[in-house]
Amino acid sequence: NAGVMQNPRHLVRRRGQEARLRCSPMKGHSHVYWYRQLPEEGLKFMVYLQKENIIDESGMPKERFSAEFPKEGPSILRIQQVVRGDSAAYFCASSSTANTGELFFGEGSRLTVL
Amino acid sequence: GENVEQHPSTLSVQEGDSAVIKCTYSDSASNYFPWYKQELGKRPQLIIDIRSNVGEKKDQRIAVTLNKTAKHFSLHITETQPEDSAVYFCAASKLTGANNLFFGTGTRLTVIP
Repeated sequence: NAGVMQNPRHLVRRRGQEARLRCSPMKGHSHVYWYRQLPEEGLKFMVYLQKENIIDESGMPKERFSAEFPKEGPSILRIQQVVRGDSAAYFCASSSTANTGELFFGEGSRLTVL
Repeated sequence: GENVEQHPSTLSVQEGDSAVIKCTYSDSASNYFPWYKQELGKRPQLIIDIRSNVGEKKDQRIAVTLNKTAKHFSLHITETQPEDSAVYFCAASKLTGANNLFFGTGTRLTVIP
């Protein structure tokens, strides 16, 4: 079992560019969660998705951020027109159902905005 | 929404001593309380969790206690070792519908050899 796979691990963008972060959940998992971690801070919930559905996006900024989890392929977190404040580690986690409890995290994607 | 507070933010202990980290939560409907350990530059990993139908759970040197009435829970690490040095996060969620974990701000534990 390969675990939760995230790529790229490191991404550098200039202000105004777009960032796309990908997450493949663990095999058999259909629930995906994205979290953002600023340096020296905790994990902030952004969005929870199931296949083809956004279940809870209460933690997503209203503008420039979007997420999807298509029927085929990985979940994508997309940040348009990046600003320096978007620099952070973005962690994806997955679970097999909504009620089992444990979330399995990927290694994270570290976005640096110049 | 749920608000989880955690302290202390930093904790230094001598090797072999115990470490205690405390968290409070705001949503009385939360019923699942995991603890994650994150080493520098690594992914958060679950070390222990507790559900609201129990008050205490132990796994070797790690134990967690839960007081639902007071809405607080704690992590206890006994006989600390240098490899316990990491950032520890508590979290809370409701295991019905969405399992969004709401995390505390973390405790950086340093075990001094």
